[in-house]
Amino acid sequence: GENVEQHPSTLSVQEGDSAVIKCTYSDSASNYFPWYKQELGKRPQLIIDIRSNVGEKKDQRIAVTLNKTAKHFSLHITETQPEDSAVYFCAASMAGSTLGRLYFGRGTQLTVWP
Amino acid sequence: DSGVTQTPKHLITATGQRVTLRCSPRSGDLSVYWYQQSLDQGLQFLIQYYNGEERAKGNILERFSAQQFPDLHSELNLSSLELGDSALYFCASSVVPGGPYNEQFFGPGTRLTVL
Repeated sequence: GENVEQHPSTLSVQEGDSAVIKCTYSDSASNYFPWYKQELGKRPQLIIDIRSNVGEKKDQRIAVTLNKTAKHFSLHITETQPEDSAVYFCAASMAGSTLGRLYFGRGTQLTVWP
Repeated sequence: DSGVTQTPKHLITATGQRVTLRCSPRSGDLSVYWYQQSLDQGLQFLIQYYNGEERAKGNILERFSAQQFPDLHSELNLSSLELGDSALYFCASSVVPGGPYNEQFFGPGTRLTVL
């Protein structure tokens, strides 16, 4: 099955700086890559996703890039704010298959210091 | 609010007991996924249902079982509970598994504490 690796496990940045979280996947058939943000004790919330026919996608301060050849994708957060502090999970799946389950990375604890 | 509902929010029980967690997917979503999240752990996939049928199994223990009913709500049954089963249990739903739009939306979770 698919294996998703996520780095780093913890990340501390100063408010206003950028944060980058990286993930790799193993199955070249994966073609859908979402990112979830989870605050303490809350549900994971989908913040952005990318499909394999696109190399980059932006939504305000958040962007995701995908390199299909190298099988890695990254989350970029610019102008970080204290409310960005949370655990971020990357995931991979095969849209178009009959399963669609998400394979999650182990998460990155992001802390933004004011 | 994702539109996915889960009950109860909290559950406290004793070892050896059995509990049932309930999930209602978003309106129109046919697929339900169950995940377990222990303290400081990631999201462990347990099982997936699509339109009433089991589609995929992950790291689900034999003491655990699930089903999806004709109205598409799902229940996760946990039996012979052990201390290590204490965790947050999330359900997520999507329109069609593996469809062109594969977004999964999570419910608020049920926090299970086994004493």
